[in-house]
Amino acid sequence: GDSVTQMEGPVTLSEEAFLTINCTYTATGYPSLFWYVQYPGEGLQLLLKATKADDKGSNKGFEATYRKETTSFHLEKGSVQVSDSAVYFCALSEGDGDMRFGAGTRLTVKP
Amino acid sequence: GAGVSQTPSNKVTEKGKYVELRCDPISGHTALYWYRQSLGQGPEFLIYFQGTGAADDSGLPNDRFFAVRPEGSVSTLKIQRTERGDSAVYLCASSPGHNTEAFFGQGTRLTVV
Repeated sequence: GDSVTQMEGPVTLSEEAFLTINCTYTATGYPSLFWYVQYPGEGLQLLLKATKADDKGSNKGFEATYRKETTSFHLEKGSVQVSDSAVYFCALSEGDGDMRFGAGTRLTVKP
Repeated sequence: GAGVSQTPSNKVTEKGKYVELRCDPISGHTALYWYRQSLGQGPEFLIYFQGTGAADDSGLPNDRFFAVRPEGSVSTLKIQRTERGDSAVYLCASSPGHNTEAFFGQGTRLTVV
């Protein structure tokens, strides 16, 4: 079945460092791909998405490109801030509608 | 309402008891999802509704778990004979349709003692 594998955390970075969180997926068809973020004490919220191969999702300085050839959707940010500290979840959704999530990667950014 | 609403926000129950968790989705959203999230884990899919019907209930762990959405809006997740291993945060999400963004509620933290 469909699944998502995320880079294990936790990840600790200094402010202004470059961030990459790896995500690879397994799917039978052509899923849409998502990154969700969960800030401390808050619910899950969508960070960005891409619906087809080679699409790039971007939001709040974060980017991820849908790579069909490598079945990947890695999350990147050029310069992280303390306020980016959160848990990040990669997810996919296919035509049958249900969304599958990775285990999450906890990011801590230190000043 | 403006977002997905889940009640109660916290529920403590004794082992063996029955519980109901409620989800009020965003108005007009046809798709509704239930997930379970244990500490340090990603959301684990339980069941997905399209309208009133369960389109995929393959994630329900056993027959103690059941969910309904009788009018295609509010959904209730029902757990019978609760066990300590059922303790988790139960998340509900809704979306306008297939392959689109899911909007999550704050979750119900269930603790079985």
